[in-house]
Amino acid sequence: RKEVEQDPGPFNVPEGATVAFNCTYSNSASQSFFWYRQDCRKEPKLLMSVYSSGNEDGRFTAQLNRASQYISLLIRDSKLSDSATYLCVVNLGGGSYIPTFGRGTSLIVHP
Amino acid sequence: SAVISQKPSRDICQRGTSLTIQCQVDSQVTMMFWYRQQPGQSLTLIATANQGSEATYESGFVIDKFPISRPNLTFSTLTVSNMSPEDSSIYLCSVGESSYNEQFFGPGTRLTVL
Repeated sequence: RKEVEQDPGPFNVPEGATVAFNCTYSNSASQSFFWYRQDCRKEPKLLMSVYSSGNEDGRFTAQLNRASQYISLLIRDSKLSDSATYLCVVNLGGGSYIPTFGRGTSLIVHP
Repeated sequence: SAVISQKPSRDICQRGTSLTIQCQVDSQVTMMFWYRQQPGQSLTLIATANQGSEATYESGFVIDKFPISRPNLTFSTLTVSNMSPEDSSIYLCSVGESSYNEQFFGPGTRLTVL
């Protein structure tokens, strides 16, 4: 089993749709969780951190489910500019920095 | 967030040669990392660049193939030695403040080995 797994997609949705991605992780000791966005031929950029209580930033909501070992990203009212690859990152933290990236989920928002 | 630059942005190299990639940050940072991203794949951590000491390599990566320097808190280099076509990839440096914090990435170096 891979340490961090994501459905590669692509998720093909119309503008205005709501779309959700999940990311599962295998290590129950994992302590830090993030979502990054990567545009084609560009470097990854931090989208948001994922906190235990869940967090929201505008149209984006991230949640953590420790019992089932997954994090999720919900995008509401999708825009064309949301088209990108979304990477989840999990690391053990606690002095043992082992950041592990998922393969990414590709999102295509069409008119 | 830190501003990170990498040089070169891209290069095409012959088999058997070496290339050194530079990563410059506009502020002092605690942790610097080097990643590789092969076409259609996710990022793989090569090593953590430690200031004033040898880098910490991840499984599958060795110092002879990927020597790393970090002379101070704002600069690091990664050398890809004795290159083969399998080394064709994007190489990214990133910085972070601690093992709990997010990372910020440089723009990447796109390497093609013929």
